[in-house]
Formats: sequence, structure tokens, C-alpha cells
Amino acid sequence: GAVVSQHPSWVICKSGTSVKIECRSLDFQATTMFWYRQFPKQSLMLMATSNEGSKATYEQGVEKDKFLINHASLTLSTLTVTSAHPEDSSFYICSASPGTLHQPQHFGDGTRLSIL
Amino acid sequence: DAKTTQPTSMDCAEGRAANLPCNHSTISGNEYVYWYRQIHSQGPQYIIHGLKNNETNEMASLIITEDRKSSTLILPHATLRDTAVYYCIVTVTGGGNKLTFGTGTQLKVEL
Repeated sequence: GAVVSQHPSWVICKSGTSVKIECRSLDFQATTMFWYRQFPKQSLMLMATSNEGSKATYEQGVEKDKFLINHASLTLSTLTVTSAHPEDSSFYICSASPGTLHQPQHFGDGTRLSIL
Repeated sequence: DAKTTQPTSMDCAEGRAANLPCNHSTISGNEYVYWYRQIHSQGPQYIIHGLKNNETNEMASLIITEDRKSSTLILPHATLRDTAVYYCIVTVTGGGNKLTFGTGTQLKVEL
């Protein structure tokens, strides 16, 4: 089945540093990938839609200069949290689809980000 | 995408069938029903999806009412590992479109 890999699974860093999270589709190509964020005891909230070869589309309220998304190939999208602060601590999850219209999205296992 | 309504929580005895309901009374004719689940501290896992016919796979069965205004996800023999939050999502294109997650149903499977 379709597999989406996310790395790292867990990261702790100091306030002010930047953190890069990778999302890879291992056995299929993904023109579109999605980035979600989940705070404790809450549901997933979409942050942005990542499009291969073009700029990401951000949801309202998500700072595009803080959350940089790059989708350089059909199997890799990256999310960089720039100048991270404690309020950016969250569970970040990516998803991708093989592309045919009604095929489901498959999710990575998420990245737990803790900013000290 | 149509709005969905699910119970906040449900309990089920291990080995019994778990029936999780979802109301989607404003569903459009071209919208599919997708089910995902999220085990604690993991990414969501796809379970099943359907348009109007009942569907079954190795994980579960999906029963959609004839008027398509509600559906039920059935886990035929629930195990402790099925304890998770289950999300019912209605959308036109499950793959290429963003998914809107509601609060889901917390299913707790107990001995």
C-alpha cells in the first residue's frame, strides 16, 4: 500500500532555531502533499497545500514566512519552521495521495516538535 | 465539503463489533464518505471510503444509507489495538483535496 514517511519523528530545540521536517512518498509520486498541525487534545488543522514545482498554498492565519514549504520533487516535501518559539511546539503531520481523484490520502507518522 | 456529526466517544468490548455512526445530512451527490482513524501520537490511518454502495475491506465495512445522509463504520471484531479517534470526512476528492477533520469519535475497546 501507499507509504508516506516523515522525518524526524521527534525533535527538541532551542527557541530561535529553525527546524526542517521531511515528508516522502516512498512508493508513489505525489503532485500534491498537505501539511497539518495538531495541538494536544485537538483535531488536525490544515496548514498548507504543497504543490510540486510551484508555491505552496497556505490556509488563513498561517504565516508563510514562518512555515516555509518546498516541494522540489514528486516524492519529497519539506516544512521548515523558521525562528521557532515555544508556541510553535506541536505535532506536525504530512499527507500525500497517489493522485487519482478518489484515492485516499495517506499520512506520515508525524513529527513531535518541542521548542524550549 | 459537507459537515459531519459524530458521537464524541464510544466504548466497545473486545471481540464484539464496533459500530461508529456519522451523520452527513448535507452531503452532495458527488461527495464521498472517507473514514480515517488516529491512534494516539500517530498520523491518521486510512480505513475505507465509499460513494453510495456499501463497501468492505480487510479492516472494516462501510454502510451508507440509501439517502446518503448518514453512514456507519463497522469494525467486525474489535481489538484493543482498535482504540483510537475515528474521523468521518465527506469530500469530493479524497486524494487531491484538503481534508477537514472534525472532532471524531474516541473509540475505547475494553476487555
